[in-house]
Amino acid sequence: QSVLTQPPSVSAAPGQKVTISCSGSSSNIGNNYVSWFQQLPGTAPKLLIFENDKRPAGIPGRFSGSKSGTSATLGITGLQTGDEADYYCGAWDNSLRVYVFGTGTMLSV
Amino acid sequence: EVQLVESGGGLGEPGGSLRLSCAASGFMFSSYAMNWVRQAPGKGLEWVSSIRSSGSHIFYADSVKGRFTISRDNAKNSLFLQMNSLRAEDTAVYYCASELAIGYWGQGTLVTVSS
Repeated sequence: QSVLTQPPSVSAAPGQKVTISCSGSSSNIGNNYVSWFQQLPGTAPKLLIFENDKRPAGIPGRFSGSKSGTSATLGITGLQTGDEADYYCGAWDNSLRVYVFGTGTMLSV
Repeated sequence: EVQLVESGGGLGEPGGSLRLSCAASGFMFSSYAMNWVRQAPGKGLEWVSSIRSSGSHIFYADSVKGRFTISRDNAKNSLFLQMNSLRAEDTAVYYCASELAIGYWGQGTLVTVSS
């Protein structure tokens, strides 16, 4: 039930900036908060952004989130090799009454 | 320190059953909704089910509706997932997670469905 669309992969050089998009609809992103998760290889997902643009304690300011209409964006500045991971957006879907994750984006640094 | 520890994974037969458990500590378990999220080998995250703090509201993904049952015991700080009528496509790492915007996750337990 992946109704949130992300680019399969993005890449950028160390120190550069990258953005990852997440496209949904009015039933999910358009009317609910978006979260972003980072999954390093072989580990459990980790919350990076909640309520569209808020960072949990301990998440560096290099990570930012934004939302406009039915799309959301994760931004990462000052890229480090340790940022290489899969990134997922997520939101509740009011019509389906389920939580939906994005298709996932693999970041290469 | 917040901890979520899943157990109960392993090998299940097609059509069979498994019961996953998640032991929570380090936070007010009874105050939070809880979720099960799974990830098939090499695939993305798939939300499976959620249960509100009191257990009053429960939601399931269509892929598991009618086969899986989520429950919780707030007195024992525990979350459960009863998995019946298992299918090969249920093979995945199953994560126990708090409200997803809170960000507490377990390390996952592998469920393999095969004869």
